Amino acid sequence: GAGVSQSPSNKVTEKGKDVELRCDPISGHTALYWYRQSLGQGLEFLIYFQGNSAPDKSGLPSDRFSAERTGGSVSTLTIQRTQQEDSAVYLCASSLGGSRGGPTIFGPGTRLTVL
Amino acid sequence: GESVGLHLPTLSVQEGDNSIINCAYSNSASDYFIWYKQESGKGPQFIIDIRSNMDKRQGQRVTVLLNKTVKHLSLQIAATQPGDSAVYFCAENRWDNQGGKLIFGQGTELSVKP
Repeated sequence: GAGVSQSPSNKVTEKGKDVELRCDPISGHTALYWYRQSLGQGLEFLIYFQGNSAPDKSGLPSDRFSAERTGGSVSTLTIQRTQQEDSAVYLCASSLGGSRGGPTIFGPGTRLTVL
Repeated sequence: GESVGLHLPTLSVQEGDNSIINCAYSNSASDYFIWYKQESGKGPQFIIDIRSNMDKRQGQRVTVLLNKTVKHLSLQIAATQPGDSAVYFCAENRWDNQGGKLIFGQGTELSVKP
């Protein structure tokens, strides 16, 4: 597509439930990133995928968070046993990757609220 | 530690004036920087980028300046308009053998008074 798309746009869940957030990157972009943004804060890196390489998971806050990217395109971020502190906007982004890969383009985000 | 940060959390300017948003970085090995604009309820929008082999780059009404000596980055917006009101983030691309990831500062909120 023309841009990065994410679904759902909003998700309200109860504490302890699992959630899945979806990201469709820009076609042809080999690099895909997940960030988290708490209210009024900057963007916190979570994980990124580059081609067929092992993902950089260094930003995942706990083992309740995981992500996968199937077929080098769509990615799903899964949060298990959600906690209230997981409430935030989850942003996906993609780029051409590599040292000359150009800017990273962001999607609109999924706003997650854990009650 | 390594960080990208902003000098001022808020900036208020009069419509028509020029705006300058500053950013400091600490990783001297960084060679690629991006400015993003984020409006309420939206994802960050790419504004302009600059590589370390340049010290200035211009876009439409925006200019980014890079001073590698003091590790400082700035975004200048000419003739600021109400539509420029948003939070502005600088980001530093941390390269690795796979490509790299963006490290963001906390952001500066720009408010344009009519």
